[in-house]
Amino acid sequence: KAGVTQTPRYLIKTRGQQVTLSCSPISGHRSVSWYQQTPGQGLQFLFEYFSETQRNKGNFPGRFSGRQFSNSRSEMNVSTLELGDSALYLCASSLRQAKGTGELFFGEGSRLTVL
Amino acid sequence: AQRVTQPEKLLSVFKGAPVELKCNYSYSGSPELFWYVQYSRQRLQLLLRHISRESIKGFTADLNKGETSFHLKKPFAQEEDSAMYYCALTNAGGTSYGKLTFGQGTILTVHP
Repeated sequence: KAGVTQTPRYLIKTRGQQVTLSCSPISGHRSVSWYQQTPGQGLQFLFEYFSETQRNKGNFPGRFSGRQFSNSRSEMNVSTLELGDSALYLCASSLRQAKGTGELFFGEGSRLTVL
Repeated sequence: AQRVTQPEKLLSVFKGAPVELKCNYSYSGSPELFWYVQYSRQRLQLLLRHISRESIKGFTADLNKGETSFHLKKPFAQEEDSAMYYCALTNAGGTSYGKLTFGQGTILTVHP
């Protein structure tokens, strides 16, 4: 069974630009979560999608957005990039449909550098 | 608010020695606790969760609600245990939906 796939793996942008990151979950997983990982703040929850609906959202500004498609693939977008957005963005998928959080299966991440 | 604290950023032990990675949490509701691990050049993966009450790769962790702790223990460390370990918390049975609150992580190094 293929794992969670994230693209691109690395990218460099300049301040003010926008970026879109993609995540393909494990087949059969309908829940997709996104996390930001930085040396200073560690792993922080961005949002979670299930059946194309955002069910939960972390404390990030509106510049961070996401969506999920009918095939469970998900994208996240960051607009008007700031230097502080430089981070590893991790996607995780889960089988669990009901309340709570099941085991999360993480991708390798997309490393974003903002210059 | 929920918070997870891993007081040790770095932990070094020798092979065969016992190891304990500390995790304390702050949460007003009913918590579900996890340990995730990231080995070198691998992705973050679940090691164990408190509701399973399993021993995985010789590691165990007991949820102590009185002390709000979920320490990870192994009686005899192996070199292959060297990795970054994260303690994580979520709301058991609530509307957490994919949200885990992670500690800052502990880098465990097991020397030969």
